[in-house]
Amino acid sequence: EPEVTQTPSHQVTQMGQEVILRCVPISNHLYFYWYRQILGQKVEFLVSFYNNEISEKSEIFDDQFSVERPDGSNFTLKIRSTKLEDSAMYFCASSEEGAGAKNIQYFGAGTRLSVL
Amino acid sequence: QQQVKQSPQSLIVQKGGISIINCAYENTAFDYFPWYQQFPGKGPALLIAIRPDVSEKKEGRFTISFNKSAKQFSLHIMDSQPGDSATYFCAASTAWGYQKVTFGTGTKLQVIP
Repeated sequence: EPEVTQTPSHQVTQMGQEVILRCVPISNHLYFYWYRQILGQKVEFLVSFYNNEISEKSEIFDDQFSVERPDGSNFTLKIRSTKLEDSAMYFCASSEEGAGAKNIQYFGAGTRLSVL
Repeated sequence: QQQVKQSPQSLIVQKGGISIINCAYENTAFDYFPWYQQFPGKGPALLIAIRPDVSEKKEGRFTISFNKSAKQFSLHIMDSQPGDSATYFCAASTAWGYQKVTFGTGTKLQVIP
């Protein structure tokens, strides 16, 4: 069964450092998303991406965050200068379409980001 | 208004029992209500979903009940099994655009033998 793949599974970084979280969405999907889940809390939407541009972002997704689809298969989330409060599990998701019956979002297993 | 409220926060059910998780929303623009199941160390996985034009949807042991006028929906797990032990998130989204999923706060279900 096709799946969303995320790497690395665990990333440890020092405060102030840049990190790039990587995702390979399901191959025929056109819509891509990042969510985060702080330990013990709910999953929160960060950003959605379609046709090589951001379609929606939350208030969490400030100037420190950026997303990119550098090639036909990868989708990345960059945090420029990490803060302690960025420590969370980051989930990538993709969907075949943005709306209707095919807007089922499939989630990767996540990258646990630990900022020290 | 974008919130989805979920209860209980945790739930312990005996094997064979019925697990019930409740959710409520305020945004009437929501028209797609998925439930996600999450095992430790894994991402959320779609379990079952409903649209507001039906009041109930059943898939195997899992049933969603939907009350549009009350803006409430619930998940019932019949004949609960230890393998159902996971965190369950209700969620909501709208059917147009590139829509984010708004998650509830989660319910940690433990099914004891």
